Amino acid sequence: ETGVTQTPRHLVMGMTNKKSLKCEQHLGHNAMYWYKQSAKKPLELMFVYSLEERVENNSVPSRFSPECPNSSHLFLHLHTLQPEDSALYLCASSQVLDTGYGYTFGSGTRLTVV
Amino acid sequence: QKEVEQNSGPLSVPEGAIASLNCTYSDRGSQSFFWYRQYSGKSPELIMFIYSNGDKEDGRFTAQLNKASQYVSLLIRDSQPSDSATYLCAVSPPGQNFVFGPGTRLSVLP
Repeated sequence: ETGVTQTPRHLVMGMTNKKSLKCEQHLGHNAMYWYKQSAKKPLELMFVYSLEERVENNSVPSRFSPECPNSSHLFLHLHTLQPEDSALYLCASSQVLDTGYGYTFGSGTRLTVV
Repeated sequence: QKEVEQNSGPLSVPEGAIASLNCTYSDRGSQSFFWYRQYSGKSPELIMFIYSNGDKEDGRFTAQLNKASQYVSLLIRDSQPSDSATYLCAVSPPGQNFVFGPGTRLSVLP
């Protein structure tokens, strides 16, 4: 465990389902991130939260909805996804929003949309 | 468009050899540079970071930074089969979040 815990590890969902991904960090970090990793593509930044406020949203479709109730927890709510949304979803955290300190990643959720 | 480029590989080296992984970036103002290792099916793991021009050594790993030429490299000495993974280069442009490269897949052959 890296100090960033993601659940579930694997998720299979139909296109009409609603599910949520959960991320929890135990490092006292103030910034949290959602990334999408698809095969043979660079990591894609989806959402950034600093002190529970969303600071960046990189043109992500509205079928992905983030929630950050406190600085330790981050959720990604999913609904009416498409097969092309199948990917590894990674949560990360850093001490502060300035990324000079590097990120700590969670183990990821492998999502398959059928 | 802020870009980070890496050769996707696979880069194959024999066990015990030096593996050399390269990364170029487009934003000349970038200040922080990171190398992550990602095993198949696992999350990225930070292995090295470098801020200043020159070399930085940590065990079998050496990161090299040349800001004038806008490249950063990672050398792995005495490569082991357990080093086989995808290596991600990440660059931090000023005031922005990380930009990751696509990764180089390294295969160390026993």
